[in-house]
Amino acid sequence: DTGVSQDPRHKITKRGQNVTFRCDPISEHNRLYWYRQTLGQGPEFLTYFQNEAQLEKSRLLSDRFSAERPKGSFSTLEIQRTEQGDSAMYLCASSLISGRAYEQYFGPGTRLTVT
Amino acid sequence: EDQVTQSPEALRLQEGESSSLNCSYTVSGLRGLFWYRQDPGKGPEFLFTLYSAGEEKEKERLKATLTKKESFLHITAPKPEDSATYLCAVQALGTDKLIFGTGTRLQVFP
Repeated sequence: DTGVSQDPRHKITKRGQNVTFRCDPISEHNRLYWYRQTLGQGPEFLTYFQNEAQLEKSRLLSDRFSAERPKGSFSTLEIQRTEQGDSAMYLCASSLISGRAYEQYFGPGTRLTVT
Repeated sequence: EDQVTQSPEALRLQEGESSSLNCSYTVSGLRGLFWYRQDPGKGPEFLFTLYSAGEEKEKERLKATLTKKESFLHITAPKPEDSATYLCAVQALGTDKLIFGTGTRLQVFP
């Protein structure tokens, strides 16, 4: 059973450095989502793609964050000039458009620590 | 503004002691309400989708119900392996994004 995979699982970086995370969705899924979760909170939406098109982006997402999904397969999330406030779990999810609501299946997450 | 509030924040149960978790929501137009389970350090695991008031779904010891303003997750005769954080999320019409509550942290003791 190939679920959503994320790489790396853990990342420690120094403030001011750039980091990039990768997400591989479930193979037949055409929508891919990024969320961020801090301790004691629920996941917070960042952005999502249908195939290679970025359809929605959170107003809370600063210009230091950028996401891509080339060729509609895997996706990358880049954070430039990291800040301590960026420390969080970054979650990727994917879904298949069918039915009335689109269940999103999450990966294991990438834990980012900015020192 | 679309919003989800979960209560209680934490719940401690004895094994076999049934209880309910609450999810209150406000949304401009509901496409679906979702329940997820999350274990420490892992991503959320999908449990249920509910679409309209009056709908119920069951899976093992869990049963989810939906009204126009809230959803309940009923846990019958819980076991220690049911210990986790249970997250509720809503999806509004016209968007795919999920709006999550802060979760209920459930601990079941033998």
